[in-house]
Amino acid sequence: AQSVTQLGSHVSVSEGALVLLRCNYSSSVPPYLFWYVQYPNQGLQLLLKYTSAATLVKGINGFEAEFKKSETSFHLTKPSAHMSDAAEYFCAVDLFGRQNFVFGPGTRLSVLP
Amino acid sequence: DTGVSQNPRHKITKRGQNVTFRCDPISEHNRLYWYRQTLGQGPEFLTYFQNEAQLEKSRLLSDRFSAERPKGSFSTLEIQRTEQGDSAMYLCASSHPLGEVGYTFGSGTRLTVV
Repeated sequence: AQSVTQLGSHVSVSEGALVLLRCNYSSSVPPYLFWYVQYPNQGLQLLLKYTSAATLVKGINGFEAEFKKSETSFHLTKPSAHMSDAAEYFCAVDLFGRQNFVFGPGTRLSVLP
Repeated sequence: DTGVSQNPRHKITKRGQNVTFRCDPISEHNRLYWYRQTLGQGPEFLTYFQNEAQLEKSRLLSDRFSAERPKGSFSTLEIQRTEQGDSAMYLCASSHPLGEVGYTFGSGTRLTVV
């Protein structure tokens, strides 16, 4: 069975600092991988996705993620945090051919002034 | 195209009452998904439709839950005899099989059972 782990339920960074949110998956077959962001009382917005093309994926709002098969990881980064980045971030796995995602538990990002 | 629309945004109900939520997907999307998200957790899959056919249901979807998509457009999720454990955000998403990989989510319906 697939699973997704996100190390750190809460990450705090200073404004302007590097953002690193970790995601590891377990799957015998490289899946499609996604990062979603959720602001309070809102639905999920797609940040970026990996679909077996380039391993370094660029998304919206300056975020990017790198797929590393050997590490079964898909960590999310942003060089310089902005106050508006404060939100909940979810990593998700979609095994090709299935029709439902498996989401990680989420990481809440706080950005300190 | 106004994205995926969910109504109501918030619903407070007394334990034991029935509730129904509606989801209107993006018009050209023939796949529709329901997820449930409890506080501090990631969304959990409930069920999935392709057009009007309900193709997959999670074991989370107990007998008190029923979802329909009668004309392959909008969908409803009904919970009968609500329990306090049903309190959650119910998220709808849609996708197109020949389109971009990934879902478009609605803003969700937050259910509070008192």
